[in-house]
Amino acid sequence: DAMVIQNPRYQVTQFGKPVTLSCSQTLNHNVMYWYQQKSSQAPKLLFHYYDKDFNNEADTPDNFQSRRPNTSFCFLDIRSPGLGDAAMYLCATSRVADTQYFGPGTRLTVL
Amino acid sequence: AQSVTQPDIHITVSEGASLELRCNYSYGATPYLFWYVQSPGQGLQLLLKYFSGDTLVQGIKGFEAEFKRSQSSFNLRKPSVHWSDAAEYFCAAQGNTGFQKLVFGTGTRLLVSP
Repeated sequence: DAMVIQNPRYQVTQFGKPVTLSCSQTLNHNVMYWYQQKSSQAPKLLFHYYDKDFNNEADTPDNFQSRRPNTSFCFLDIRSPGLGDAAMYLCATSRVADTQYFGPGTRLTVL
Repeated sequence: AQSVTQPDIHITVSEGASLELRCNYSYGATPYLFWYVQSPGQGLQLLLKYFSGDTLVQGIKGFEAEFKRSQSSFNLRKPSVHWSDAAEYFCAAQGNTGFQKLVFGTGTRLLVSP
């Protein structure tokens, strides 16, 4: 089945230790998104890629970076995680102006 | 400003009873509309969507939603709730021209009582 896959599902890191979360898709969608979701809140868009064009949300901290080496893969890098970065990170994909499909998420814990 | 409102933070429904979750949107033009469901610790699963056409939309898991332009609403319904429907439900909207962000409501947590 075509789908959005996120690895790992659970990630534990130490305060200040860089971490990378991975997303892959078999839908061949040209847009990929990263969201941060904290407990009992709606997802918050961090940035998205339209093909190779990177689009950062104005309020996304510089601590968060992303890479998209090819159509299928996208990575979220957190350079120096703080306690406030503990959250669920959701990847989504879509065609332009179409439905977004979400992955299962990565739960990040910062110790 | 574009916004989506889900007025109910929590709803408790008895198993087998009917369900309606409310959603209102504020957009300049009618947006694309979506309902997603999220079980604890999981990602968001698309239940149904409305782009245009028939205002009563059928989705997965026995859910349906009705678009009402006059009320700027897109309420989600299910005739008979199952215990497995307990989850967080998000209504979302997206402008229908070019690239537009998905705007979420704050979510409604559904609890199902025996």
